[in-house]
Amino acid sequence: ILNVEQSPQSLHVQEGDSTNFTCSFPSSNFYALHWYRWETAKSPEALFVMTLNGDEKKKGRISATLNTKEGYSYLYIKGSQPEDSATYLCAPYSGAGSYQLTFGKGTKLSVIP
Amino acid sequence: DVKVTQSSRYLVKRTGEKVFLECVQDMDHENMFWYRQDPGLGLRLIYFSYDVKMKEKGDIPEGYSVSREKKERFSLILESASTNQTSMYLCASTLGGNQPQHFGDGTRLSIL
Repeated sequence: ILNVEQSPQSLHVQEGDSTNFTCSFPSSNFYALHWYRWETAKSPEALFVMTLNGDEKKKGRISATLNTKEGYSYLYIKGSQPEDSATYLCAPYSGAGSYQLTFGKGTKLSVIP
Repeated sequence: DVKVTQSSRYLVKRTGEKVFLECVQDMDHENMFWYRQDPGLGLRLIYFSYDVKMKEKGDIPEGYSVSREKKERFSLILESASTNQTSMYLCASTLGGNQPQHFGDGTRLSIL
């Protein structure tokens, strides 16, 4: 089982603030890093799948960076809105087995209007 | 639009019952997964399947079995339900490891 750490566990921000959180994973046997957003009463939704060191992806106000050599990824949210309130999960894929992901415990974001 | 459908959103069963959770996907994906989510523990993989009739144990397979008779359907079976299997269960499917997983809406299962 891969050791995947996400920090912080939870945070509260004011509407309009920008924020970021971290996903740490083993840098050996790296193949891809997934980010998902999981809103209450909904199913997890894929945000990004990143594979290359130095990769940066963007979707609206949300962006992510990847450092495969040191084993971390940052997720940034610019100008947080109440609809960004969700749990954000990361999951590395090691390339072994049948596309099995190991999920971190997530960062729970609450955006206060 | 891609769709993963789980048979029930909420389910209440009794200790010792045999419980079936069904999952159907319409994307022709070969890979399907069953997870459970518990507070403070995150998503944990129970079983996965990479083809019809093929299955592999995940991180927490004890007390569960699975069935994949058709490509689009992946069933999770609780052989004899126990109270520690009260949880949120999520099904997912994917094309591959560098492709996103698509999740169902989840089944909140309570074992009394």
